[in-house]
Amino acid sequence: ETGVTQTPRHLVMGMTNKKSLKCEQHLGHNAMYWYKQSAKKPLELMFVYSLEERVENNSVPSRFSPECPNSSHLFLHLHTLQPEDSALYLCASSQGRGLGRSGNEQFFGPGTRLTVL
Amino acid sequence: EDQVTQSPEALRLQEGESSSLNCSYTVSGLRGLFWYRQDPGKGPEFLFTLYSAGEEKEKERLKATLTKKESFLHITAPKPEDSATYLCAVESYGQNFVFGPGTRLSVLP
Repeated sequence: ETGVTQTPRHLVMGMTNKKSLKCEQHLGHNAMYWYKQSAKKPLELMFVYSLEERVENNSVPSRFSPECPNSSHLFLHLHTLQPEDSALYLCASSQGRGLGRSGNEQFFGPGTRLTVL
Repeated sequence: EDQVTQSPEALRLQEGESSSLNCSYTVSGLRGLFWYRQDPGKGPEFLFTLYSAGEEKEKERLKATLTKKESFLHITAPKPEDSATYLCAVESYGQNFVFGPGTRLSVLP
């Protein structure tokens, strides 16, 4: 595997279900991100982890719960979601965050298309 | 507040018809400006990073330029396979990473 992988690619769940999205990066990066992409809206940053510590949580409802067990893996645990949570969920990674002069290019996975019924 | 706007929202070109996409930004200290390409149902694909005004980067038919207020993505003699949504993002020294809404490009054969 190369780059950033995400599983599953598609997920349909009811409002009472509990499910998890998985992301794995094979780039040796130290920062990982969860984004939500809804139709006709810009990418919305949800969570940022740097060196396995959560450094940013952009007012995301508690029904979304992230977990970063190590620098290569990131999970998004979902429970009691609402239909408006249906979207493409993207994981990304970058070399670091706020390091040196360079910008920290983020590399994205293919996304999980989530549908909440 | 850091902000990114992109224009036009959508652009239709004939194959071979060159054009430019605009990304305007306001940011509290620019660390980097990024261009991505996104195909439907897929994750964004990284294209370029620009760090300072006057900088240019090129890749195949794409050329990105940067001023203190905006960036342009120039597409020379586009082909149908260049059809995609092009996203611009900025990273500030406050470590804020903000994406624009994108420009949806269609290149007709």
